[in-house]
Amino acid sequence: AQKITQTQPGMFVQEKEAVTLDCTYDTSDQSYGLFWYKQPSSGEMIFLIYQGSYDEQNATEGRYSLNFQKARKSANLVISASQLGDSAMYFCAMREPRRSGGYQKVTFGIGTKLQVIP
Amino acid sequence: NAGVTQTPKFRILKIGQSMTLQCAQDMNHNYMYWYRQDPGMGLKLIYYSVGAGITDKGEVPNGYNVSRSTTEDFPLRLELAAPSQTSVYFCASSYASRFPDNEQFFGPGTRLTVL
Repeated sequence: AQKITQTQPGMFVQEKEAVTLDCTYDTSDQSYGLFWYKQPSSGEMIFLIYQGSYDEQNATEGRYSLNFQKARKSANLVISASQLGDSAMYFCAMREPRRSGGYQKVTFGIGTKLQVIP
Repeated sequence: NAGVTQTPKFRILKIGQSMTLQCAQDMNHNYMYWYRQDPGMGLKLIYYSVGAGITDKGEVPNGYNVSRSTTEDFPLRLELAAPSQTSVYFCASSYASRFPDNEQFFGPGTRLTVL
């Protein structure tokens, strides 16, 4: 079974509008972390936002917010006021505990390509 | 701080050749990772390390080897390159944490083509 599912291969959004990128995850652990990364066409991976499984509040970082619904196992990224520079691939990732201890294991989804239209 | 550096940026190999992808970080991170990203796909973990002298396999370790003799360096060795290893390789690092809150810092990637 997929650990991280991103069902939107591509999305379009008008400049200045908000957009939601979907991410669902699968884990039986109680403690885990969820991350979103951005990959522009230049190729680098840029960390955007983090949500811990025990965090009661949804994470926010500037124009990025994470809509965390634990019971539904979803961690959608919301980008408000889209800008042309937001055009990129976006990856959802999850850090889970190892049986032997620690949180080294990270699993990535296949990504969503966002294009912002002027 | 340079962050995570990778060399080379690009490389073309012939089938059967070997090479080492270099990765270094100057953030004193304990954890280091190697991923490959195939076209249109997410990142798949090849190997990771939780500290000098300690490495472990990820999802797709076949055809690769790693070593971690220092905290700073985590080279990835390809033996007998095959076309299936054509990919973009990313090295990443993160600090050790008792909690799952430590984001990864990525290098710029190495684009490898095996012909």
